[in-house]
Amino acid sequence: AQTVTQSQPEMSVQEAETVTLSCTYDTSESDYYLFWYKQPPSRQMILVIRQEAYKQQNATENRFSVNFQKAAKSFSLKISDSQLGDAAMYFCAYRSAVGGSQGNLIFGKGTKLSVKP
Amino acid sequence: KAGVTQTPRYLIKTRGQQVTLSCSPISGHRSVSWYQQTPGQGLQFLFEYFSETQRNKGNFPGRFSGRQFSNSRSEMNVSTLELGDSALYLCASSLEGVSSYEQYFGPGTRLTVT
Repeated sequence: AQTVTQSQPEMSVQEAETVTLSCTYDTSESDYYLFWYKQPPSRQMILVIRQEAYKQQNATENRFSVNFQKAAKSFSLKISDSQLGDAAMYFCAYRSAVGGSQGNLIFGKGTKLSVKP
Repeated sequence: KAGVTQTPRYLIKTRGQQVTLSCSPISGHRSVSWYQQTPGQGLQFLFEYFSETQRNKGNFPGRFSGRQFSNSRSEMNVSTLELGDSALYLCASSLEGVSSYEQYFGPGTRLTVT
């Protein structure tokens, strides 16, 4: 079974600075997708960024980028120029690309990010 | 395009009762997944429906059930509620396809069992 581990329960960053959130996963599959979701205090889960395992190029979405290391099974999220609105719980998630488990997102426990003004 | 909607947003029930939660996916999305979020267990997958068929199921007791209608709207039902069922229930929809695998979440239904 696949697992996702986020080893940092809480992180803090100064406004305008850069922060990196860690995520590791365990799988025997070669084809899968990885995601970072953001859940602000209002509870609406928002997709931040996605990565297809078959792509070597790291995904980037504006101030958000990932460092995807497939061999190491690592998928970290870097937030540049942090803003107060970035404060939220961040969840790393895995989704298989094969078989009947396609609809199943497997989440890490989350990292609570605080942004200091 | 409207996002995923869930009703009701908040619900208080008593142990032993049953509850039905509703989810309307993004227009055109045919896959609907349900998740339970608690402080202790985090986010756990309940089940997924695609074209009115349950395609995948998580490790939850049979008290948890769901269905999907022809318009892709989905409901989940929890019977004989227990205190431990208190949680935020999230619904997510997905377009499904080679390049469309992201899941988009609704605001959730906060269920409190007393």
